[in-house]
Amino acid sequence: DTGVSQDPRHKITKRGQNVTFRCDPISEHNRLYWYRQTLGQGPEFLTYFQNEAQLEKSRLLSDRFSAERPKGSFSTLEIQRTEQGDSAMYLCASCVGGSTDTQYFGPGTRLTVL
Amino acid sequence: AQTVTQSQPEMSVQEAETVTLSCTYDTSESDYYLFWYKQPPSRQMILVIRQEAYKQQNATENRFSVNFQKAAKSFSLKISDSQLGDAAMYFCILQGGSEKLVFGKGTKLTVNP
Repeated sequence: DTGVSQDPRHKITKRGQNVTFRCDPISEHNRLYWYRQTLGQGPEFLTYFQNEAQLEKSRLLSDRFSAERPKGSFSTLEIQRTEQGDSAMYLCASCVGGSTDTQYFGPGTRLTVL
Repeated sequence: AQTVTQSQPEMSVQEAETVTLSCTYDTSESDYYLFWYKQPPSRQMILVIRQEAYKQQNATENRFSVNFQKAAKSFSLKISDSQLGDAAMYFCILQGGSEKLVFGKGTKLTVNP
């Protein structure tokens, strides 16, 4: 059990550029979650997957955001045409399968949009 | 809408002393779960303790215990014999009716030697 990993850990980009983040969940964890944490706030739910199926999306996930989990293992979160308001920590979490299972978090990707 | 309120942005405690972090929540769900997670500086968030709403008994994990008052919608965390390694941001979290976790804004705990 190597834990949830995220790559990159830090990303600095210019406004208008596209960025993509990757999350590798704990192996055999069927559910994968994305959260966004802005400065001074608690994380906010963005979306989650059961295997490769995206089952719920927050209204925070605008059309510029897209998430995938093509083979039910790792997941990617892409932000197109980044804005300064997208600057945040993007957290990934995974759990075995039940809705009340403990979610294990990755270290996060800190995005700074200049 | 479900909400979680942590009214203490920062708390401090002396090493070996006891500290209580406050949390109130609101939900219309009858079946829900409550958690405390800690986020140490520059490290990932980890589960401290969880409480099923249908259980009347307060959860305990070693030095960590909760005071769950369902009618008052209150869920406080007590840390006994505080250690330097307990210094972190603590989040109170609600999960009910869906997969998503609803977080409070967090309480930053400082442990003084």
